[in-house]
Amino acid sequence: DAGVIQSPRHEVTEMGQEVTLRCKLISGHNSLFWYRQTMMRGLELLIYFNNNVPIDDSGMPEDRFSAKMPNASFSTLKIQPSEPRDSAVYFCASSQGLRMNTGELFFGEGSRLTVL
Amino acid sequence: AQKVTQAQTEISVVEKEDVTLDCVYETRDTTYYLFWYKQPPSGELVFLIRRNSFDEQNEISGRYSWNFQKSTSSFNFTITASQVVDSAVYFCAPQGGSEKLVFGKGTKLTVNP
Repeated sequence: DAGVIQSPRHEVTEMGQEVTLRCKLISGHNSLFWYRQTMMRGLELLIYFNNNVPIDDSGMPEDRFSAKMPNASFSTLKIQPSEPRDSAVYFCASSQGLRMNTGELFFGEGSRLTVL
Repeated sequence: AQKVTQAQTEISVVEKEDVTLDCVYETRDTTYYLFWYKQPPSGELVFLIRRNSFDEQNEISGRYSWNFQKSTSSFNFTITASQVVDSAVYFCAPQGGSEKLVFGKGTKLTVNP
């Protein structure tokens, strides 16, 4: 079975440009998480969805960040306009459900973003 | 809300030594899960274990073992006879009723040959 698929793996862009990161969930999973990892702050949860509905977006840094799930298997995280402090590795993860019998989160390989 | 403390930022050992990674968590949930993830130098996050807060039995999986002490809110991870391939950053994470995982800062383990 394919795991969580993220693209692009690496992105280098200039300040002010729009960045779109993409994530394909594991088939059958219905919860989707976006995390950001930096040296200073570690792994931070940005937002998570269940059945395409955003459940908790309290970790989204500011209005420049937005995330969508246009369908049950796909999500995008958009940064517009990007800033150098957005440079980080962005991870997407999926899991099977919102109840306490959920299994583990399955992570993608991450998208390394560098904003110059 | 959950909170987790991994007090050891970096640990360096020589191959074949045993090493214990500490994890202390805080949660207001009466029912919760505890996770350990491994992040090798390649960068992906790899699931290691999930424990239910009702189950305090220690668990062993090969060279890995976990000691869950609910009374002290700790969930420590021991690697026995460490190997170079164990070099990674290890994250502890509690998961309460809201499902989201709250990760600690991680402990970077270096196993030297």
